[in-house]
Amino acid sequence: LAKTTQPISMDSYEGQEVNITCSHNNIATNDYITWYQQFPSQGPRFIIQGYKTKVTNEVASLFIPADRKSSTLSLPRVSLSDTAVYYCLVGDLNSGYSTLTFGKGTMLLVSP
Amino acid sequence: DTEVTQTPKHLVMGMTNKKSLKCEQHMGHRAMYWYKQKAKKPPELMFVYSYEKLSINESVPSRFSPECPNSSLLNLHLHALQPEDSALYLCASTPGGGTDTQYFGPGTRLTVL
Repeated sequence: LAKTTQPISMDSYEGQEVNITCSHNNIATNDYITWYQQFPSQGPRFIIQGYKTKVTNEVASLFIPADRKSSTLSLPRVSLSDTAVYYCLVGDLNSGYSTLTFGKGTMLLVSP
Repeated sequence: DTEVTQTPKHLVMGMTNKKSLKCEQHMGHRAMYWYKQKAKKPPELMFVYSYEKLSINESVPSRFSPECPNSSLLNLHLHALQPEDSALYLCASTPGGGTDTQYFGPGTRLTVL
């Protein structure tokens, strides 16, 4: 079961790029890396998912090095509304639902 | 429809009450999940239903009783809860498994007096 480690909190300003790194040293071959965003008193929302190299969508990019022991979520030009908790999940549901373990998450605070 | 709905939004109950939380999705997803989330903590998996059968029960106390009447509906029956059970209860669903990402509902904020 791949365990993840993230910074507890990060601070940024509007318009800056934010990079949040997640460490997952014992990631398994079939595991995917998925990032979720959660606002207070709401359910987590899917941001991006990847297996290796780089994935980009309309809201974020995900960078995964060749050894896959870490990953970095990149949020371009953050705004105040990006203030939230960001969770990194590593797992593969085909390997069992016990892979659905959220780490402690990173609280991102964006200031004006 | 790409939405998971949960009712009620808020629930206050006494320790002797019996209540139920309801979760619904009409995306044709085959797996549904209950999570519990305490303040400033990550969500913790409680139950997983896959193809309407209970797949995972993460050592949850029997005062929580899940039910999956059909592939679109998931209930969580509550009885004799304790104040420490107060939390945000989240429901999620996935199409099946593998690399599927989870769609979460907005949650039910439960307060046990």
